[in-house]
Amino acid sequence: QVQLVESGGGVVQPGGSLRLSCTVSGFTFSNYGMHWVRQAPGKGLEWVAFIPYDEVSKYYADSVKGRFTIYRDNSKNTLYVQMNSLRAEDTAVYYCARKLDGYNHFDYWGQGTLVTVSS
Amino acid sequence: EIVLTQSPATLSLSPGERATLSCRASQGIATFLAWYQQKPGQAPRLLIYDASNRATDIPARFSGSGSGTDFTLSISSLEPEDFAVYYCQQRSKWPLTFGGGTKVEMK
Repeated sequence: QVQLVESGGGVVQPGGSLRLSCTVSGFTFSNYGMHWVRQAPGKGLEWVAFIPYDEVSKYYADSVKGRFTIYRDNSKNTLYVQMNSLRAEDTAVYYCARKLDGYNHFDYWGQGTLVTVSS
Repeated sequence: EIVLTQSPATLSLSPGERATLSCRASQGIATFLAWYQQKPGQAPRLLIYDASNRATDIPARFSGSGSGTDFTLSISSLEPEDFAVYYCQQRSKWPLTFGGGTKVEMK
């Protein structure tokens, strides 16, 4: 069955960096676009970034543009997001999600990993 | 960016009742709208995509309708497991955006 497992979350100081990973199984990773979506504590969902299967065009939310980089390693079935210059407002549970084939909706999600930006 | 406004913020209903949730877009988005359900401590689950298409394994009591700027998610007869928060999401333009959510709580 389809599984997505995030890792790499933790506590980081403002201005610091963190890299999140999302390892997938149960489908052909190289055929699918992938997203990162986050949720601040007690708040709603916020889309963060997208990478297509072929990495041709990546998209970012304005709130993270220039600070976050999404990339993938198809040989390892793994999606990443490199987060630099972290701010308190980046504190959230970060989910990776698979792009529904043909539509920019999210059909499978990981369980999430918590990132806390605090001094 | 396209703003999605969900109403009501909270819906208090009893099991067996019908739930009607609304999502309004700040500009026309054709039928490029999805609905998700999220329970506490869990990841969201895709219910409906492109306004009216049920996702895999979603029960028939969930249905979606609408186009342009006004969309509705209906749950025909609430089951105990349906009490959760529901979000809409548009894919018409980047950045992808979500509505603020509607909590369906037990009366």
